[in-house]
Amino acid sequence: DTEVTQTPKHLVMGMTNKKSLKCEQHMGHRAMYWYKQKAKKPPELMFVYSYEKLSINESVPSRFSPECPNSSLLNLHLHALQPEDSALYLCASSQVLSGTYNEQFFGPGTRLTVL
Amino acid sequence: QQQVKQSPQSLIVQKGGISIINCAYENTAFDYFPWYQQFPGKGPALLIAIRPDVSEKKEGRFTISFNKSAKQFSLHIMDSQPGDSATYFCAASMWGQNFVFGPGTRLSVLP
Repeated sequence: DTEVTQTPKHLVMGMTNKKSLKCEQHMGHRAMYWYKQKAKKPPELMFVYSYEKLSINESVPSRFSPECPNSSLLNLHLHALQPEDSALYLCASSQVLSGTYNEQFFGPGTRLTVL
Repeated sequence: QQQVKQSPQSLIVQKGGISIINCAYENTAFDYFPWYQQFPGKGPALLIAIRPDVSEKKEGRFTISFNKSAKQFSLHIMDSQPGDSATYFCAASMWGQNFVFGPGTRLSVLP
């Protein structure tokens, strides 16, 4: 299995809602990433987990809350988002966080719209 | 120093032609240079990658050329096909961390 899966594919939420994005991989990778991608822009790194521990938080607002319950799962909890948070949210994984085997494999993304 | 520059912003090529996308970086500590291909509504997919100890890597119709002294690397797509129409991102990282993407190139291959 060489796939990173993400659910849901699309999500529309109001500014007062609480929702979660889910990411799953079964490649035995121990590093997992959340990226945000706006239209016609490159992905921007948000969070990195290494061995289920948060390693990098790129100064992301607290209305985004990541969680890594086990080595295969990564969640992104959303609360009180703003319309400018509308974007494609991408999950990625790699064998390890650093070193030679750091190729990142991306999921298809969740298209989030905040009304 | 962390920036990766990419050009052109958009590229139109006839079917069968060669597509060339260029990237440049400043940080000499970068040690891994991947190229990603992204179709609309999809996540980026790793296309080909190179490390600075080699000057060229070829996989099928895709070739990376790497010039360490000039701090530049490029992607060549030979015999470009309409199915290659996508956005291409170069990227760079240091020991797997500090992953930086270029701004992207939108490639259109005309039939």
